Amino acid sequence: NAGVTQTPKFQVLKTGQSMTLQCAQDMNHNSMYWYRQDPGMGLRLIYYSASEGTTDKGEVPNGYNVSRLNKREFSLRLESAAPSQTSVYFCASSFPHGLAGGSYEQYFGPGTRLTVT
Amino acid sequence: SQQGEEDPQALSIQEGENATMNCSYKTSINNLQWYRQNSGRGLVHLILIRSNEREKHSGRLRVTLDTSKKSSSLLITASRAADTASYFCATDSGGSNYKLTFGKGTLLTVNP
Repeated sequence: NAGVTQTPKFQVLKTGQSMTLQCAQDMNHNSMYWYRQDPGMGLRLIYYSASEGTTDKGEVPNGYNVSRLNKREFSLRLESAAPSQTSVYFCASSFPHGLAGGSYEQYFGPGTRLTVT
Repeated sequence: SQQGEEDPQALSIQEGENATMNCSYKTSINNLQWYRQNSGRGLVHLILIRSNEREKHSGRLRVTLDTSKKSSSLLITASRAADTASYFCATDSGGSNYKLTFGKGTLLTVNP
């Protein structure tokens, strides 16, 4: 049981280049999330997918796109990288909808450190 | 925008002492969660407290929630060097999307 996996672990891009960050979970979770973490800013939600087939913007979606490829996989794409996108990116997933309602705990991947020069 | 705000931003204590971190939030919530992040790692869920609960325990962790003051506290008793990490509160403000809003975190250093 690998939990949440992310690739790559590190990446350096030049301004204007594109790349896709990959995320996969093997816990049969419905919901998946992409966050960025910057020093002193905590975690900010970029995009999320409440269930397979749906995606929605979070707090800081500009410059990013996402694809929920299937229930397991949720990718984040930077079409034209900018230095402001230098950050650590975390993918997370959470339990399926339950009778109790409300959020369940989120399980996080190890992160991708992205530097844009 | 940030919902939860942790206080203090940084805390340094000796092994064996208790550590208390606070979280304040602005809007009503379904639940509040606490996470730990070791340096360079992903976040790990510690404990979840629902809006109708006032106190919850898990091992050396004790969490309280005061919805009238919109605040929560995390107490770590008998701290160990391995507790050195950043601690984040996260709030779920309802809806069917299961989104969490994270605070900026408290950096706890436990000195041996």
